[in-house]
Amino acid sequence: QKEVEQDPGPLSVPEGAIVSLNCTYSNSAFQYFMWYRQYSRKGPELLMYTYSSGNKEDGRFTAQVDKSSKYISLFIRDSQPSDSATYLCAMKYGSSNTGKLIFGQGTTLQVKP
Amino acid sequence: DGGITQSPKYLFRKEGQNVTLSCEQNLNHDAMYWYRQDPGQGLRLIYYSQIVNDFQKGDIAEGYSVSREKKESFPLTVTSAQKNPTAFYLCASTSGVRNQPQHFGDGTRLSIL
Repeated sequence: QKEVEQDPGPLSVPEGAIVSLNCTYSNSAFQYFMWYRQYSRKGPELLMYTYSSGNKEDGRFTAQVDKSSKYISLFIRDSQPSDSATYLCAMKYGSSNTGKLIFGQGTTLQVKP
Repeated sequence: DGGITQSPKYLFRKEGQNVTLSCEQNLNHDAMYWYRQDPGQGLRLIYYSQIVNDFQKGDIAEGYSVSREKKESFPLTVTSAQKNPTAFYLCASTSGVRNQPQHFGDGTRLSIL
């Protein structure tokens, strides 16, 4: 069983839809949770970085962490064609900056005009 | 602009050949990382370095080598011992401040001739 599971999609939605992207994990030692967006042939770009359970909002993006269920989500409101990309969840043990990240497989999202 | 520069963008390797991928950062970050990304898979850690002249193996270090002679540079050599080198290689860095996330370059795509 992989430490982090993410539905690879692809996920296709109409413009303006609310998108929900999800990851589950098996190890309760994960403490830091990240969402990256990756456009084709580009490096991942950090979208959200959270620690505690609960919600964190940044513009149209909301990250949700439920440590009791070992489940994290990224919600995109009013989705735009420019949101079409692969979204990667990532997790880290502890607070050390040198701790490695464990990534999900990535979910490919297409937002149709 | 501050950032992480990876070069070349595309690289081709012949059988039995070693190739070196460049990663340079001007963010004054202490830690640097190399990841490999294959289709449908998340990123996997190859090597990482916390300080100059020191580095550690990640999960898939076999067939790869690195050096960290300068804070801003962390080149990766893909040796002939790596039998399946075709992949997208990503370099990342992070500062020494606690709880800071990793930021990525735009990658090098390596293919076999």
